[in-house]
Amino acid sequence: ILNVEQSPQSLHVQEGDSTNFTCSFPSSNFYALHWYRWETAKSPEALFVMTLNGDEKKKGRISATLNTKEGYSYLYIKGSQPEDSATYLCAFGSNDYKLSFGAGTTVTVRA
Amino acid sequence: SAVISQKPSRDICQRGTSLTIQCQVDSQVTMMFWYRQQPGQSLTLIATANQGSEATYESGFVIDKFPISRPNLTFSTLTVSNMSPEDSSIYLCSVEERPGSDYGYTFGSGTRLTVV
Repeated sequence: ILNVEQSPQSLHVQEGDSTNFTCSFPSSNFYALHWYRWETAKSPEALFVMTLNGDEKKKGRISATLNTKEGYSYLYIKGSQPEDSATYLCAFGSNDYKLSFGAGTTVTVRA
Repeated sequence: SAVISQKPSRDICQRGTSLTIQCQVDSQVTMMFWYRQQPGQSLTLIATANQGSEATYESGFVIDKFPISRPNLTFSTLTVSNMSPEDSSIYLCSVEERPGSDYGYTFGSGTRLTVV
């Protein structure tokens, strides 16, 4: 079982503010790092799959960075909107197609 | 991208009974994955289901408790057997549409199970 940790567990953000949170994972035998957004009563939605050290990916107001040598990834939300309220999951992907998930960061955006 | 239909979306079951969860994918996929999220915990992989072979279970999960069927490349079922309150969880199925790509995995909408 791989140890994937996310912090903080939850955060509250004022609409329009930017925020970020962390995923840490084993730095050895790195293959891929996934980010998902999971809204209540919906399916987890893939945001990013990152494979290269130093990778930065962006999707609208959401972006992510990756440091495989030290074993962490940041997810950033710029100008938070109420529709960004969700649980954000990171997952360590291995070369046998299995994912090891963190417990998630639950973001609540207040209007 | 693939679309997964997962049923039921939620259920309340008596302890000692069994529940079968179904996932139907609108395209053919080689591997299907079954996950569980217990309250306050991470999503945890239960097993990998390949068509035409026995499912591969992760440590802590056994076939007698979580039998899986994979009769074809678009369908799979997970049964939660002899349920206890500890089985109360969200169960999700998942597929990787393009293995090795940077697309990520597609998930069903989940089955929210409460055992009383």
